[in-house]
Amino acid sequence: EAGVAQSPRYKIIEKRQSVAFWCNPISGHATLYWYQQILGQGPKLLIQFQNNGVVDDSQLPKDRFSAERLKGVDSTLKIQPAKLEDSAVYLCASSLIAYDTGELFFGEGSRLTVL
Amino acid sequence: KQEVTQIPAALSVPEGENLVLNCSFTDSAIYNLQWFRQDPGKGLTSLLLIQSSQREQTSGRLNASLDKSSGRSTLYIAASQPGDSATYLCAVPFSGGYNKLIFGAGTRLAVHP
Repeated sequence: EAGVAQSPRYKIIEKRQSVAFWCNPISGHATLYWYQQILGQGPKLLIQFQNNGVVDDSQLPKDRFSAERLKGVDSTLKIQPAKLEDSAVYLCASSLIAYDTGELFFGEGSRLTVL
Repeated sequence: KQEVTQIPAALSVPEGENLVLNCSFTDSAIYNLQWFRQDPGKGLTSLLLIQSSQREQTSGRLNASLDKSSGRSTLYIAASQPGDSATYLCAVPFSGGYNKLIFGAGTRLAVHP
């Protein structure tokens, strides 16, 4: 079974530029999450989707971050304009359904460096 | 507000030692607790998932225990090997949530030959 796919793996941009990350969850997983992991810290949830609807985006900095999952499968996370403090690894995860106590499966992440 | 703390932050041990990694959380009303492993530059791999009704879970040389009343979990690694070197993170759901996880900062483990 294929895992969670993410691209690009690495991205270097200058501050005030924009960037987009893509995620394709495990087939059949209705719930998709984006996490931000700053160096030396645990991942922090940014947004959670159930199919193509947003369940929770309370921790997403909406002035610069946006995310969508239009067809309920793959998802895109965008940052515009980027700040130095956005340098982090952006992890995508999926699970079968949101209201479930099963496992969460993570992709390998997209590492962003903002100069 | 749920907070997750992991102690120690880093650990360096010789091969063969038995290890204990600690995780504590402030809100005991959790549905489950997960332990993850993260290798440098990689994503997270789920190691063990303990449901709130369980006291422990085992997988190979790994054993995780959960004491909800005291807000603690322990990951025990038996007979450590250099291949165990990684960062180990514990995570619990947000209060009232299921798979929306709050993570600790992790314990960075180095096992040397």
